[in-house]
Amino acid sequence: KAGVTQTPRYLIKTRGQQVTLSCSPISGHRSVSWYQQTPGQGLQFLFEYFSETQRNKGNFPGRFSGRQFSNSRSEMNVSTLELGDSALYLCASSLGGSGSSPQHFGDGTRLSIL
Amino acid sequence: DQQVKQNSPSLSVQEGRISILNCDYTNSMFDYFLWYKKYPAEGPTFLISISSIKDKNEDGRFTVFLNKSAKHLSLHIVPSQPGDSAVYFCAAYETGTASKLTFGTGTRLQVTL
Repeated sequence: KAGVTQTPRYLIKTRGQQVTLSCSPISGHRSVSWYQQTPGQGLQFLFEYFSETQRNKGNFPGRFSGRQFSNSRSEMNVSTLELGDSALYLCASSLGGSGSSPQHFGDGTRLSIL
Repeated sequence: DQQVKQNSPSLSVQEGRISILNCDYTNSMFDYFLWYKKYPAEGPTFLISISSIKDKNEDGRFTVFLNKSAKHLSLHIVPSQPGDSAVYFCAAYETGTASKLTFGTGTRLQVTL
C-alpha cells in the first residue's frame, strides 16, 4: 500500500514569492492535515481538510492556505514568503471518520527561503 | 503556551536496557495520546496510542503509561535496540479532532552498543 506522497521534497524560494506544496494521501484516506516543523517550535498544526472542506485550523496567518480535491489530494499554498517560513512541511492522512485512526505522515517538503 | 511538553531533549541508553521517554501535558481536554518516531529525512511514524480511559497500552516492546491525575505519560521501550535511535514525539488530541495533533518538541533517543 503506497504511503503519503509529498512533492517536491526540496524547494528554495526568495522572500515575497509564493509557493504551492502537494500531498497525495494513502488510498481511501479522506482527511489530510498539514504541519510545520521548525527547530524552535517543533511540529505545529496548520489545517485539516476532509471531503474538500477545511475542518480544523491552527494559529497561522492567512498567508497559509490550502485546498483539497475530490480525489482527496491536497495542496498547501504560502503567499508573500518570509524568512521565518523556512521549515519542513509535513502532510498527514487518516481515514478521518469519527474514530481515532492515527495519522500517517509523508516525508515532508523542505522549504528554504533566501 | 506549550500544551504538550517533552522536557528531555535527548536520552542515551545502552542496547538491551529499558528506554523511558516522558511527556507532560497541560490541556485537560486531551483524551487521546500518541507516540511517533522520526528518523532524519523521513516523516514521523506512528508507534502506539492510548486513550484516557486506560492507564496502560502495550504493543510488543513498546508500552505507554498514562497518569491522568499528573497529566503525564511515558513510553517504555524494552529491550532497547540500536534501530530505536530516533527522535520520539509525544502528541495529543481532544475527542473529535483526531486530525489536529498537538505535538511535544521531541526527545532524541540514542541506543548505544
